[in-house]
Amino acid sequence: AQSVAQPEDQVNVAEGNPLTVKCTYSVSGNPYLFWYVQYPNRGLQFLLKYITGDNLVKGSYGFEAEFNKSQTSFHLKKPSALVSDSALYFCAVRDINGYGGSQGNLIFGKGTKLSVKP
Amino acid sequence: DTGVSQDPRHKITKRGQNVTFRCDPISEHNRLYWYRQTLGQGPEFLTYFQNEAQLEKSRLLSDRFSAERPKGSFSTLEIQRTEQGDSAMYLCASSLVSSNDGYTFGSGTRLTVV
Repeated sequence: AQSVAQPEDQVNVAEGNPLTVKCTYSVSGNPYLFWYVQYPNRGLQFLLKYITGDNLVKGSYGFEAEFNKSQTSFHLKKPSALVSDSALYFCAVRDINGYGGSQGNLIFGKGTKLSVKP
Repeated sequence: DTGVSQDPRHKITKRGQNVTFRCDPISEHNRLYWYRQTLGQGPEFLTYFQNEAQLEKSRLLSDRFSAERPKGSFSTLEIQRTEQGDSAMYLCASSLVSSNDGYTFGSGTRLTVV
């Protein structure tokens, strides 16, 4: 069965410093990987995805993520954090070779709260 | 088209009552998903439709829950005989079956059962 782990409940960063939000995954086949952000009382907003190709993917708002197949990780990064980046971040995986093939559903991690202080 | 719309945004109901939520997906999206999110947790998959067909239901979806998408456009999620444990944010999302993109989520319906 596919699963996603976000080992940190909360990440605290000072504004201007680099940030990393960790994610590891488990799938039986090849993964599609996603990061979403959620602001209070809002739905999830898509940040970026990895499907195939370059292991470093760039997304919205200056975020990027690195796919590491050997470590089964897909950590979210940003070189310089902003206070406005403070939100909940969710990693999600879809197993393209698992149940339903490419039609498999997104499975989400429990989320990491990012707090950026001025 | 302004994205995925959910109605109502908030619902407070007494235990034992029935509630129904509505989701209007992006018009050209043929896939529609329902997720439930409780405090401190990530979204949990409930069910999804491809056009009007309900293709998968999670074990989380008890017999008190039913979802429909009668014309392959909007969808409704009904919870019968609500329990306090049903209190959560109910999220709807849509996508194209042919797309590798992620889902587009609505803002959710927050249900509080008192």
